[in-house]
Amino acid sequence: EIVMTQSPATLSVSPGERATLSCRASQSVSSNLAWYQQKPGQAPRLLIYGASTRATGIPARFSGSGSGTEFTLTISSLQSEDFAVYYCQQYNNWPPVTFGGGTKVEIK
Amino acid sequence: EVQLVESGGGLVKPGGSLRLSCAASGFTFSSYSMNWVRQAPGKGLEWVSSISSSSSYIYYADSVKGRFTISRDNAKNSLYLQMNSLRAEDTAVYYCARMAAADANVGDYWGQGTLVTVSS
Repeated sequence: EIVMTQSPATLSVSPGERATLSCRASQSVSSNLAWYQQKPGQAPRLLIYGASTRATGIPARFSGSGSGTEFTLTISSLQSEDFAVYYCQQYNNWPPVTFGGGTKVEIK
Repeated sequence: EVQLVESGGGLVKPGGSLRLSCAASGFTFSSYSMNWVRQAPGKGLEWVSSISSSSSYIYYADSVKGRFTISRDNAKNSLYLQMNSLRAEDTAVYYCARMAAADANVGDYWGQGTLVTVSS
């Protein structure tokens, strides 16, 4: 099973600043990596797939990069609606599909 | 508009059973593989099970194998999860999610979830 590790667990950022979230895989997942956003009481929303392709309707301030075992989600200028928990997920070698533990982006 | 609506959650005693349903609309249900993903209170996401469009391929997480059964009825645009021998650690919100592509297990649309509580 591929283990996904996200860091940091919590990221405190001021509105308008850049946020950089990291995700590491225990073995290579190529570019088969997705990012999701989840707000309290809501279902996850797909942001990025293929490590760097934005899903339909996702603003350009969200960008993904990386391949192999190291991945980054960058939010270029945080808006109030971006404060949420973000999860990475690998789908290169499944089952099982595995998720990272999440990074909470909170207001500084 | 793609919609996924889960139902069937509730309070059940340890060892009991529950059947979850997911009603799909706004897309050709029979063309897509589907997932169940769960989230324990205050915890992260955990994949539970996947089923291919024609039910030819079915996969389970080790944590539920032998206790849960995924199925679908393409004529009714519905996905199901039969959960038997429930344990306290199965307590979670259960989401159904559409798989974006058969060879890419990415959840591009998710339902709002249904809460399952296993407690005596």
